[in-house]
Amino acid sequence: EDQVTQSPEALRLQEGESSSLNCSYTVSGLRGLFWYRQDPGKGPEFLFTLYSAGEEKEKERLKATLTKKESFLHITAPKPEDSATYLCAVQAGDYKLSFGAGTTVTVRA
Amino acid sequence: DGGITQSPKYLFRKEGQNVTLSCEQNLNHDAMYWYRQDPGQGLRLIYYSQIVNDFQKGDIAEGYSVSREKKESFPLTVTSAQKNPTAFYLCASSHPSGPSREKLFFGSGTQLSVL
Repeated sequence: EDQVTQSPEALRLQEGESSSLNCSYTVSGLRGLFWYRQDPGKGPEFLFTLYSAGEEKEKERLKATLTKKESFLHITAPKPEDSATYLCAVQAGDYKLSFGAGTTVTVRA
Repeated sequence: DGGITQSPKYLFRKEGQNVTLSCEQNLNHDAMYWYRQDPGQGLRLIYYSQIVNDFQKGDIAEGYSVSREKKESFPLTVTSAQKNPTAFYLCASSHPSGPSREKLFFGSGTQLSVL
């Protein structure tokens, strides 16, 4: 059974204080790893897809990396508007996604 | 402006009552999904449909039903058989083929609570 574990559950940062979120996974035949951002009371918004170990993707202050066992989402010099819950999901075999529980990031000004 | 519309935003269910959550998309996507989100848990797949008039059970289909009579619409009915329906329900869609097939587009969700 595919498993996705995100850590930490919650992260409180000062504005400008860089940090990383972890997504570890157990899956047979990874087809893709996905990062989504979710604001309170809203649906998730797509950020990145990573397909193979060593791959990196960037968007503004966010950078996602992938190894054979885990993915990191690095937040560089975060701003209060980066506060959200970040979800990780993996896809193996068919097109169904397995989601982690998420990391809730709070950035204080 | 293309997207996915879920309604209502908030819904209350009485004991023994069936309720239906609406999901409409104008993205011309073939595939549509329903997920359930509970605090502290990952999104769990309820039902999915890759094409009109066809749908499959996800991981937690018991107590739920769906229909896919039109490409744009994928309503979810929470039946009285679902004993713990309180959750945030998310509808999503995607292209089933091509480079964007795994990218899910989500609606803004429906919060269902039991009275």
